[in-house]
Amino acid sequence: EDQVTQSPEALRLQEGESSSLNCSYTVSGLRGLFWYRQDPGKGPEFLFTLYSAGEEKEKERLKATLTKKESFLHITAPKPEDSATYLCAVFSYQFYFGTGTSLTVIP
Amino acid sequence: DSGVTQTPKHLITATGQRVTLRCSPRSGDLSVYWYQQSLDQGLQFLIQYYNGEERAKGNILERFSAQQFPDLHSELNLSSLELGDSALYFCASSAGQTIYNEQFFGPGTRLTVL
Repeated sequence: EDQVTQSPEALRLQEGESSSLNCSYTVSGLRGLFWYRQDPGKGPEFLFTLYSAGEEKEKERLKATLTKKESFLHITAPKPEDSATYLCAVFSYQFYFGTGTSLTVIP
Repeated sequence: DSGVTQTPKHLITATGQRVTLRCSPRSGDLSVYWYQQSLDQGLQFLIQYYNGEERAKGNILERFSAQQFPDLHSELNLSSLELGDSALYFCASSAGQTIYNEQFFGPGTRLTVL
């Protein structure tokens, strides 16, 4: 069965404490993997699209990587404003979304 | 502010009714996407239109339909509403026709079915 699993469900970090969020997937024919950030009550904000294993993309304190079975979103020296839910989605012949990781960064 | 507008912000209706949600994409964007986000099923892709034509279809129920008009705004029609249709409905837009393009999401319409 095609599915996307994100872990952990929730993560609390001290400001400056780097960590990684995981997105594992079991879909055939991956054509793209997406990362989004979503603040409460707002629409998702696009972060990255990754297309093939080995690919990496960076944006400010965020770095996304992709292997054949999972993607990681690395957050370096996070700040309180990085607190949000981070969603992962994969696109093969359908869109499959994970349920997200809720990140809280404590000052 | 993403530049994508959605109306109304909130909608409360009864089971069996029909509603229309409206979306105006960012200036210059030709693609419009519709998503449903509920507590139990998370975010789900419903459908994409590009320049008036259906481009990709996701988990859209037969009771739901969408269209994109010549001025590029889009409407999502939900009929024979059920309690389970209560959710946030997001519209997104992008410049190109492929689903991999950066999508800009609107603020959403919260639908409550009583």
